[in-house]
Amino acid sequence: DIQMTQSPSTLSASVGDRVTITCRASQSISSWLAWYQQKPGKAPKFLIHKASSLESGVPSRFSGSGSGTEFTLTISSLQPDDFATYYCQQYNSYPLTFGGGTKVEIK
Amino acid sequence: EVQLVESGGGLVQPGGSLRLSCAASGFTFNTYWMHWVRQAPGKGLVWVSRIKSDGSSATYADSVTGRFTISRDNAKNMLYLEMNSLRAEDTAVYYCSRVQYNSYFDSWGQGTLVTVSS
Repeated sequence: DIQMTQSPSTLSASVGDRVTITCRASQSISSWLAWYQQKPGKAPKFLIHKASSLESGVPSRFSGSGSGTEFTLTISSLQPDDFATYYCQQYNSYPLTFGGGTKVEIK
Repeated sequence: EVQLVESGGGLVQPGGSLRLSCAASGFTFNTYWMHWVRQAPGKGLVWVSRIKSDGSSATYADSVTGRFTISRDNAKNMLYLEMNSLRAEDTAVYYCSRVQYNSYFDSWGQGTLVTVSS
């Protein structure tokens, strides 16, 4: 199974900050990576696929990059609605696996 | 608008059984692979199972193989998860999800909580 490791596990930031979350795969997954946002008590929301392709309707302040084993999710200017937990997910091979999550909290 | 609505969760004793359902609407259900993903309280997301669009093929995580069965009824736009021999570690919110190109989860239900406890 491909292990996905996210860092940091928790991130404290302020509105307007630039935020970067890292996701590392235990083996190369090319660009087969997705990102999700989850708020407490809610289902995950799909943000990005193929490492950098933004889902329709997702604000342009979100961006993704990377390939192979190292990936990043960047929020260019953190907004109040962005405080949530973010997960990466690889779909290079089954079983599909997720990172452990990064909680973005208010500083 | 894509809608996925799970039901069937609840409290069950260890060793017991439960059947989850997911009602789909707003898209052509019989053209998509469908999946179940679970999330234990305070923990991350874990893939559980998938079923092909026509129901002819299914795959499971090692942790549920032999105990869980995924199925679908394309005439009713319904997805199911039959769970047997339940264990405390199966306690989680279970989400049904539509998958694009059998790869990433582009739509999720609201989830249904399964609690396995005596």
